[in-house]
Order: sequence, then C-alpha cells, then structure tokens
Amino acid sequence: DAGVTQSPTHLIKTRGQQVTLRCSPKSGHDTVSWYQQALGQGPQFIFQYYEEEERQRGNFPDRFSGHQYPNYSSELNVNALLLGDSALYLCASSRDRSDAGNTIYFGEGSWLTVV
Amino acid sequence: GQQVMQIPQYQHVQEGEDFTTYCNSSTTLSNIQWYKQRPGGHPVFLIQLVKSGEVKKQKRLTFQFGEAKKNSSLHITATQTTDVGTYFCAALTDSNYQLIWGAGTKLIIKP
Repeated sequence: DAGVTQSPTHLIKTRGQQVTLRCSPKSGHDTVSWYQQALGQGPQFIFQYYEEEERQRGNFPDRFSGHQYPNYSSELNVNALLLGDSALYLCASSRDRSDAGNTIYFGEGSWLTVV
Repeated sequence: GQQVMQIPQYQHVQEGEDFTTYCNSSTTLSNIQWYKQRPGGHPVFLIQLVKSGEVKKQKRLTFQFGEAKKNSSLHITATQTTDVGTYFCAALTDSNYQLIWGAGTKLIIKP
C-alpha cells in the first residue's frame, strides 16, 4: 500500500519563476492538504482540497494555487517566486471525516530553493 | 485565530536522561496530535489524543492530554540517540480541516 508520494523531491528555481509540485494521496484517501515548512519552523497550512475544490485556505497569497484531480491527486502551483518561498512543501492526505479522529499522513516533501 | 504554543524550543540532554515538551492553547482543543521530524525528514505521526485527561504510552514515550483539553505533553524516558529530532504538537481546528502546529521542540543529545 503506497503512502503519500510527492514529486519532485528537490528543486531549485529563480526568483519570478513558477513551480508546480505534485502529490498522490495514500490509497483510500480523498482529501489533500498542503503545508509550507520554513527551516526551523512548524508547518503552515496553505490549503486543503476535497472533491476537486479548495475547501479551506490558510494565510497565503493568491500566488499559491492548487488543483485536485478526479483520482484525488493534487498539484500546488506557486507563481512569481520569491526568495521567501524557499521551504519544504508537505502534502498531507486523509479520509474526509467530520469527527476529530482523523489520521493524517504526510509525504516526504518537496524541498524548494529559490535563488 | 487558534494558536498552539510549544516549549521549550530546544532541549539538550545526556543520553539516558529524560525529555519533556509541552503544548498549550488558550482555547479548548478537539484533539492533539504529536509528530516527530528527523533532521532533513518529514513529520511522522506518533499519536493522537482526543479525550480529556487521556494518557497513552508507546514504549519509552508517554503522551498526556490535559483535563481541560488545553494542554498536552510528551515525555521520553531514558533518551537514546535514535530519539534525536524535532517533536511537534498539532491540533485540528474546529472545522477539522487544518492542523495548527506548535513551533516544535528540538531534542539534542549531548556528546
């Protein structure tokens, strides 16, 4: 049973460029969340996708956008990259449940360096 | 907005000593989750606590959820080099859609 897979694992981009990160959720999971983790800090919630729609969004600018496909996989797009976007981008998958007992699984992340 | 405060930021211990990290919230939490992140790695789920006063153990790790569901702790007995990493607490928001993370406590084993 494959866990959460993310690609690419590492990438370097130049300021102003655009980047697309990809995530395949754990088998049986239909909900994908994206987090940004700057060095030495805890992850920060970017947004969550469910049923191919953005369900909730954290405090991130519109340069950050996403998509979820019918097979539940997801993409995170960041436009007009800034140096401050350098971080580990984590994808988390879960099954949509309204109770508080929802286990969340994280992928290994995509390390983005903006130069 | 909802916040989770975690202390200390770092803890240096000799191998064999105990380690404890604490999380606090000003609001009642529906649940609290604990994660471990090794250097250069990704967060790995350790445990979830949902009940008031809950205590769970995993070998040398003991997790507690406060009676008021506003605080939690992780205690490691007799630390080993394999315990090195950063330990995060995280709480689901009321909507259960996002995790709010503490800043993490980095466990460092003194040489």
